[in-house]
Amino acid sequence: GAVVSQHPSWVICKSGTSVKIECRSLDFQATTMFWYRQFPKQSLMLMATSNEGSKATYEQGVEKDKFLINHASLTLSTLTVTSAHPEDSSFYICSADVGAMVEMNTEAFFGQGTRLTVV
Amino acid sequence: RKEVEQDPGPFNVPEGATVAFNCTYSNSASQSFFWYRQDCRKEPKLLMSVYSSGNEDGRFTAQLNRASQYISLLIRDSKLSDSATYLCVVNGPDKIIFGKGTRLHILP
Repeated sequence: GAVVSQHPSWVICKSGTSVKIECRSLDFQATTMFWYRQFPKQSLMLMATSNEGSKATYEQGVEKDKFLINHASLTLSTLTVTSAHPEDSSFYICSADVGAMVEMNTEAFFGQGTRLTVV
Repeated sequence: RKEVEQDPGPFNVPEGATVAFNCTYSNSASQSFFWYRQDCRKEPKLLMSVYSSGNEDGRFTAQLNRASQYISLLIRDSKLSDSATYLCVVNGPDKIIFGKGTRLHILP
C-alpha cells in the first residue's frame, strides 16, 4: 500500500517556540493531505485539509494562524505549531489522499504520528 | 446528531468471547466506510472496509446498513491481541470523519 512518512515521531519543546511537523508521501503524489489531532483517550479530530498549491481548509475552532499548513509539493505537507503552549501537547497525525481518495472510496494512509509535548 | 457516533466503551470481555461494535453516521451521502484499529500511542491501521453486502476476514465480520445508517463490526473468538481501540471511519462526501472509538479490553 501507499506509504506516508511523518517526522518527527516525537518532540519536546519549550512554551512559546514553534514546531514543524512534516508529512511525506513516499511512493505516490498526494494532492490532498489531512491533519488530525488526538488528545489522550479521544478520537482523531480533523484539524485541516491541506491542498497542494492552495490554502488549507481549517475545521471550525482550529486557529489557522496558530497551525500553519504548507503543501508546496505533491509529496510534502507541513504543519507548524506556532507559539506552542502546554495545551497544544497532543498526538498529531497526517493522512494522505491517494488519488482523490474521498471519491474513490479507498482507505486513508496515515503517517506514524508525532507526539508533541510542550513544557 | 453527531456525524459519527460510537459507544466509547470500554468493553471488557473474556478471551474467546464474541464482541460487537456499532457505529452510526448522520450524512446519508457518505460514500465509504471502514473500521480502523488503533493501539495505544500508535497511528490507526485499517482493519476492514465495510460493504453493504457484508464482508468477513477471519474472525472479523463487518456490515453496513445504509437504510439505517449504521455500521457494525463483529469479532469472534477474541484474542488478547485484539485489545485496542476500534475506530469507525466514514468517508465522504467531502472529508473523512472518525468516530471517537470504542476501547476493547480482552481479559485472560
